[in-house]
Amino acid sequence: GNSVTQMEGPVTLSEEAFLTINCTYTATGYPSLFWYVQYPGEGLQLLLKATKADDKGSNKGFEATYRKETTSFHLEKGSVQVSDSAVYFCALKAYTGNQFYFGTGTSLTVIP
Amino acid sequence: EAGVTQSPTHLIKTRGQQVTLRCSPISGHTSVYWYQQALGLGLQFLLWYDEGEERNRGNFPPRFSGRQFPNYSSELNVNALELEDSALYLCASSFLPSQSNEQFFGPGTRLTVL
Repeated sequence: GNSVTQMEGPVTLSEEAFLTINCTYTATGYPSLFWYVQYPGEGLQLLLKATKADDKGSNKGFEATYRKETTSFHLEKGSVQVSDSAVYFCALKAYTGNQFYFGTGTSLTVIP
Repeated sequence: EAGVTQSPTHLIKTRGQQVTLRCSPISGHTSVYWYQQALGLGLQFLLWYDEGEERNRGNFPPRFSGRQFPNYSSELNVNALELEDSALYLCASSFLPSQSNEQFFGPGTRLTVL
């Protein structure tokens, strides 16, 4: 079956620290992979995506590489800011059909 | 281009009542998804509609139901409300054919059950 496993939170970092949020997946075929971000009081926004193996998605300084060999899609940012404080969700879209599968979310707090 | 819209923004109900939440997808999107996000929890998948039909359903009781209209808008109905139904209800839409197309989320409806 299809599923996403995300690093447990909450994560607290100081401003300018390096961020990694782990995400691994189980899927049949070749899914597309996504990271969504949810700022306080808002809905989810797409942060980045990758549609095939070795693709790197990037946006706003965040990056994630689709690793088929390790079935991973870890989110990274070299220097976090207070404004990055949010909940981050890893997701996959199955190769067949239109079903999405979300991880449980990782809460990030960045302190000045 | 207008995004996914949801109404109402906030709702307060009492136990046992019934509620209807509404969602309008992005123009051209045929799939609509509903999720429940209770406080401190992740997204729980509720329902997926495409082309007017229910395609999949999450692990929720039958008092959670919905439908999709010919214009692809959707309603989520919850009967016999319970306190634990208090949550943010998120609607998302996507365009089916391309495997790479992401879901676009609305701002959500905050339901409080007293």
